[in-house]
Amino acid sequence: ETGVTQSPTHLIKTRGQQVTLRCSSQSGHNTVSWYQQALGQGPQFIFQYYREEENGRGNFPPRFSGLQFPNYSSELNVNALELDDSALYLCASSLGTDRQETQYFGPGTRLLVL
Amino acid sequence: AQKVTQAQTEISVVEKEDVTLDCVYETRDTTYYLFWYKQPPSGELVFLIRRNSFDEQNEISGRYSWNFQKSTSSFNFTITASQVVDSAVYFCALQILTGGGNKLTFGTGTQLKVEL
Repeated sequence: ETGVTQSPTHLIKTRGQQVTLRCSSQSGHNTVSWYQQALGQGPQFIFQYYREEENGRGNFPPRFSGLQFPNYSSELNVNALELDDSALYLCASSLGTDRQETQYFGPGTRLLVL
Repeated sequence: AQKVTQAQTEISVVEKEDVTLDCVYETRDTTYYLFWYKQPPSGELVFLIRRNSFDEQNEISGRYSWNFQKSTSSFNFTITASQVVDSAVYFCALQILTGGGNKLTFGTGTQLKVEL
């Protein structure tokens, strides 16, 4: 158990809808990163939040957005859902943004877009 | 650009066999960290080990061992006397600093199946 929690565990949406995924970081961790993992692939970095500010972004369109709250929990929002957004969304927390910091992952949210 | 290659898509072994999972990475950074994570069917990525680019000492933790060779840009993972509970997808990942933050670049994973 890493202490990182995510909700919901599963979600089904239709194309064009919007979705919000939530993540609570491990106690004491101020950094949250989000990853998308398509079936049979490795996780792909979406973005990172550090002290409520976006601190790095991967190759994802602007319809992927996020927030981090004062308690360091985080949300991932995806607008105008597409079929290809179907994936496992993983949240990871860490003590900071230095390259040596280990990222600890939550159980993920499985999103299916129909 | 960073890249991690795990050429073995799937490996099947019989319990008690030793198995090595290969990982090759590419980066222009001189300071970086390498990780291995385990992903059981439940989906959660479980952290196994972290190595920095300046420490090439092999590491052993119980039945697990890791061999880091900077000359060949490889960070291989060996499970000795494999068990059914070792069945999972294993990911190798590279972490550098980019755009003000850190991010993990993952390989495509190796599915390990350990059978009785």
